[in-house]
Amino acid sequence: NTVMTQSPTSMFISVGDRVTMNCKASQNVGTNVDWYQQKTGQSPKLLIYGASNRYTGVPDRFTGSGSGTDFTLTISNMQAEDLAVYYCLQYNYNWTFGGGTKLELK
Amino acid sequence: AVQLVESGGGLVQPKESLKISCAASGFTFSNAAMYWVRQAPGKGLEWVARIRTKPNNYATYYADSVKGRFTISRDDSKSMVYLQMDNLKTEDTAMYYCTILTRWGQGVMVTVSS
Repeated sequence: NTVMTQSPTSMFISVGDRVTMNCKASQNVGTNVDWYQQKTGQSPKLLIYGASNRYTGVPDRFTGSGSGTDFTLTISNMQAEDLAVYYCLQYNYNWTFGGGTKLELK
Repeated sequence: AVQLVESGGGLVQPKESLKISCAASGFTFSNAAMYWVRQAPGKGLEWVARIRTKPNNYATYYADSVKGRFTISRDDSKSMVYLQMDNLKTEDTAMYYCTILTRWGQGVMVTVSS
C-alpha cells in the first residue's frame, strides 16, 4: 500500500502569510495526486487535481506542484477563509489520503 | 448542479449489518466512477470503496480494512450507489461520504456500539 505522509500536521499562520505544506508518497505515484480542503463541519472540497491543476473556481492563490514522491500545496497571501484541514490523495495505487495539515490562526 | 445525498446511517451493534445509500443528480451518473470515503470522529479521511462504470464491468475496489465485509454496488437506472456493510466493528464508526472526488455529499453517520 502507498503511504502518504503529510507535513507539518499543523501550522499557526497569519492572514497574508505564504503557506507551504508537503505530502510525501512511499513510492512513485507520478502526478496522480489531488489536494482537498475541509473546513470544520463541512465535506471536503477539491482544490488541485493531477498534482498541479487548479479545479474550477479555486482561487489562484492555491498552487500545487510536484511529481514522483514529493508534492507541495502553497497558499500565497493566506486568507481567513482558508483556515481548514488540507489533505492530499494519491490515486496511482488504489487511493490513499495523507493524514492532513491543519491551519490555525496565530 | 451536482448533488450527492447520503442516507441510511444510524446506530448498530457490533457484528450487525447496515446498508447506506447515495442518490446522485446533476451529472451523467452512468459515466462516473463512484466512491465511498469515511472519516472517524476527529480523524482524517479514509478511502473505503470504489465502483467503476458498466464499460469497465462495474469493477470494484476496497480498502484492506473493509475487504470481505463491505460491498459497494450501483443502480444506474436510479442514479444510486450503495454500501452494504456487514460484520460491523466499532472501528467502522465514522461519517461516510459518497463522492465522485470532484464533488462530495454531506455524509451520513454510522455508529457501531454496544
